[in-house]
Amino acid sequence: DIQMTQSPSSLSASVGDRVTITCRASQGISNSLAWYQQKPGKAPNLLLYGASRLERGVPSRFSGSGSGTDYTLTISSLQPEDFAIYFCQQNYHTPLTFGGGTKVEIK
Amino acid sequence: QVQLVQSGAAVKKPGASVKVSCKASGYTFTAYYIHWVRQAPGQGLEWMGWINPNGGDTSYYAQNFQGRVTMTGDTSISTAYLELIGLRSDDTAVYFCARLNRGIYNYEYAFDIWGQGTMIIVSS
Repeated sequence: DIQMTQSPSSLSASVGDRVTITCRASQGISNSLAWYQQKPGKAPNLLLYGASRLERGVPSRFSGSGSGTDYTLTISSLQPEDFAIYFCQQNYHTPLTFGGGTKVEIK
Repeated sequence: QVQLVQSGAAVKKPGASVKVSCKASGYTFTAYYIHWVRQAPGQGLEWMGWINPNGGDTSYYAQNFQGRVTMTGDTSISTAYLELIGLRSDDTAVYFCARLNRGIYNYEYAFDIWGQGTMIIVSS
């Protein structure tokens, strides 16, 4: 199974901050990576797919990059509605696996 | 509006079974695989498997669930089902169905539409 390791597991940031979340796969996944945002009591919401492609309707302050085993989600200027948990997921090989999540909290 | 609407919460006793439904609307049900993902309270996301609604119920299950899970679909009512048997306390979780969008290239696969989730509590 491909293990997805996300870091940090939590972070505190202020509105307007630049935030970076990292996801490392236990083997290369050829950009088969998606990022999701989840708010309490809600289903996850797709932000990016193919490592860097922005889902329709998602604000452009979200961006993704990476290759091979290492991937990054960046929020360029954190907004109040961005405080949530973020998950990465690899779609390269079954079983599909998720990172453990990063909780973004208000500083 | 493209959406997946799931059945309501349930409380089950250990050893019982549960069947969760996921009704699709706003798109061609048979054109997309449906996956199931669960989330235990306060925990991360765990993938369970998929069903191809256009494939005569062709399905694939994660090894952790093989022998206990069955995923089916009814194309006449655009509904997918997840059945889990032999419930244990650690099956207590929110169960989500999700549509897999394949994009243009293989690396673009992602879950673009999710159901609202169904809370299943297993308790004696």
